Amino acid sequence: AQTVTQSQPEMSVQEAETVTLSCTYDTSENNYYLFWYKQPPSRQMILVIRQEAYKQQNATENRFSVNFQKAAKSFSLKISDSQLGDTAMYFCAAQTTDSWGKLQFGAGTQVVVTP
Amino acid sequence: GAGVSQSPRYKVAKRGQDVALRCDPISGHVSLFWYQQALGQGPEFLTYFQNEAQLDKSGLPSDRFFAERPEGSVSTLKIQRTQQEDSAVYLCASSSLGGHTEAFFGQGTRLTVV
Repeated sequence: AQTVTQSQPEMSVQEAETVTLSCTYDTSENNYYLFWYKQPPSRQMILVIRQEAYKQQNATENRFSVNFQKAAKSFSLKISDSQLGDTAMYFCAAQTTDSWGKLQFGAGTQVVVTP
Repeated sequence: GAGVSQSPRYKVAKRGQDVALRCDPISGHVSLFWYQQALGQGPEFLTYFQNEAQLDKSGLPSDRFFAERPEGSVSTLKIQRTQQEDSAVYLCASSSLGGHTEAFFGQGTRLTVV
C-alpha cells in the first residue's frame, strides 16, 4: 500500500514569482513513478511532470521542476515565473511498477496566481 | 477520438435511482481506469480494464458499483440504488499500454444524488 500526503491546502503567488508545493509519500516498493497533475476548473487532469524513482536527476518541464529526495520520500514541485493560467488544483500522485498504472493521489494543493 | 470523452458531464439523480456513466477512451488505448473524486479531495481508484478484461476492481466501494468494457473500447460505470455518499466527480482515464505510459483523463461526470 502507498500513501501520498500534501500538507498545503492552498498557496498564493504573484505573477512572475516562484512557488513550491510539497509532497511526501510512503511506499514499500523499490520501483515506482511520481507525478504532478494539474486540475483546472474544467476538471480535466493534465500531467505536468513525471519522475522515475530510479533516476537521480530531477525532472524539468519548462517552468516546472521537481526536487526528488528519495531517502526522505519527498517530491516537491517548483513553479517558476508563475502565470495566471497556472491557477488550478495540483495533485501529487504515485504509481508502483506492479500496479497496472493505478495512481494514488494526494489531497491536492490549490494554487492561486494573482496579478 | 482526440481525447477521452465522458458523458454526461453532469447528472442529478434521486436517491435510489440507477445511473450509468459513459467513458469513450482515446482510440487504440488498451488501459482504462475509473476514479472517484469527492469534493475537495484527490481522486480515488475504482477499477481498471486492460482491453475488455477487468483486472482490478478493488476500489469499487460496494456491490452497487459495476463497470464494464465489453468490446475493449467504451466503458460504462453503473451505480445502482444511488446514495448521497455517491455524490462525486467520476473521472475516466486511458493509456496506450498497461503500466506506466501517460494516462489521459476525461473531464469527468459530476454526479449529485439528492
